[in-house]
Amino acid sequence: DAKTTQPPSMDCAEGRAANLPCNHSTISGNEYVYWYRQIHSQGPQYIIHGLKNNETNEMASLIITEDRKSSTLILPHATLRDTAVYYCIVRVAGNQGGKLIFGQGTELSVKP
Amino acid sequence: ETGVTQTPRHLVMGMTNKKSLKCEQHLGHNAMYWYKQSAKKPLELMFVYSLEERVENNSVPSRFSPECPNSSHLFLHLHTLQPEDSALYLCASSQEPVSGSPYNEQFFGPGTRLTVL
Repeated sequence: DAKTTQPPSMDCAEGRAANLPCNHSTISGNEYVYWYRQIHSQGPQYIIHGLKNNETNEMASLIITEDRKSSTLILPHATLRDTAVYYCIVRVAGNQGGKLIFGQGTELSVKP
Repeated sequence: ETGVTQTPRHLVMGMTNKKSLKCEQHLGHNAMYWYKQSAKKPLELMFVYSLEERVENNSVPSRFSPECPNSSHLFLHLHTLQPEDSALYLCASSQEPVSGSPYNEQFFGPGTRLTVL
């Protein structure tokens, strides 16, 4: 699976959009981009995933560049409860044993 | 509440003890995972079970022994652990897709905080 690079930390004001970048320049054509987050002392939580089209769900939006070498997770109206470590992961579709390889992630601090 | 429960939530054990961590998923999934999260380190995958068969063992020492008696339950048996094994142990489950389809998300339990003295 391709490696990802994320900034170690970011701050965001409450109520503003949080834009979390991820570089995955070695991504291959059959790899999807997944985002998870981990609130302190809890298990990780799935947020969203995509292949090449932009995706949106009730939690966030995922914008993937046309060359697929980078993506941005957008939390449109960040709240204090969104303070967490956010992980960007790329995974091949459909292999047996769908392991997630976590990096260091981005620690997002949402401030009042 | 994710549908994945883990017990105990906290465990303190000596290096000569034998203990087991339990994970149960109520989601009807067919794959289960153990991860380890040490302080200041990323999560590390330890074991993967798919359809109750172990499909991955990430070079985990033999003092950790997984068991998957059915698709809803996963155990991690611990014996003669070392202090450096102190960590948060996380269980997850997912519904493994057909070949070529994107993976469904993994649902994680709250973890067991293990301290080895």
